[in-house]
Amino acid sequence: KAGVTQTPRYLIKTRGQQVTLSCSPISGHRSVSWYQQTPGQGLQFLFEYFSETQRNKGNFPGRFSGRQFSNSRSEMNVSTLELGDSALYLCASSPNPGGRETQYFGPGTRLLVL
Amino acid sequence: AQSVTQLGSHVSVSEGALVLLRCNYSSSVPPYLFWYVQYPNQGLQLLLKYTTGATLVKGINGFEAEFKKSETSFHLTKPSAHMSDAAEYFCAVSEAQKLVFGQGTRLTINP
Repeated sequence: KAGVTQTPRYLIKTRGQQVTLSCSPISGHRSVSWYQQTPGQGLQFLFEYFSETQRNKGNFPGRFSGRQFSNSRSEMNVSTLELGDSALYLCASSPNPGGRETQYFGPGTRLLVL
Repeated sequence: AQSVTQLGSHVSVSEGALVLLRCNYSSSVPPYLFWYVQYPNQGLQLLLKYTTGATLVKGINGFEAEFKKSETSFHLTKPSAHMSDAAEYFCAVSEAQKLVFGQGTRLTINP
């Protein structure tokens, strides 16, 4: 089975712009979670989607949003980018929702905000 | 809320030596615990997972971890380090719909 894929792998944006990141889960997986990884804050949970519904959201401002499509693919959007949004954004998929499921991670999208 | 503490942000061992990476957790419910490894410019790869039952969990690449409820610990070990083990390792505990990660331990292997 193909693993979790994320596009693009690298992205450079400037402050104030918006960005959309894409994640394709493992075939058959219906849950997708997003995490932000930075050197200072480590790995932080952004949100989880299952059956096109957001089930849980982390402590991030409303500039961070996401959605899930009927084929389980997910996108996350960050509007009005700030320098502090520079990070590695990781997507993870699992067959079912919940933190007790094994989550399989993609390679990440590295976002640099200038 | 659940939390994870990884003792030692950097650990350095010689090739062939024992690897011990420490993880302590706090959880208000019986935890599910995970160890993930991250190689440079890659995502996270699952090493092993504890759910219930046997407290010694064997994972990939020769790693294992022991769940000790009384010590709220889930330390990761490997008897003999290999150069390819150099990476960052993350311990995580399940919480509702998400994983809560420790800050990570960077493992360096000296030849």
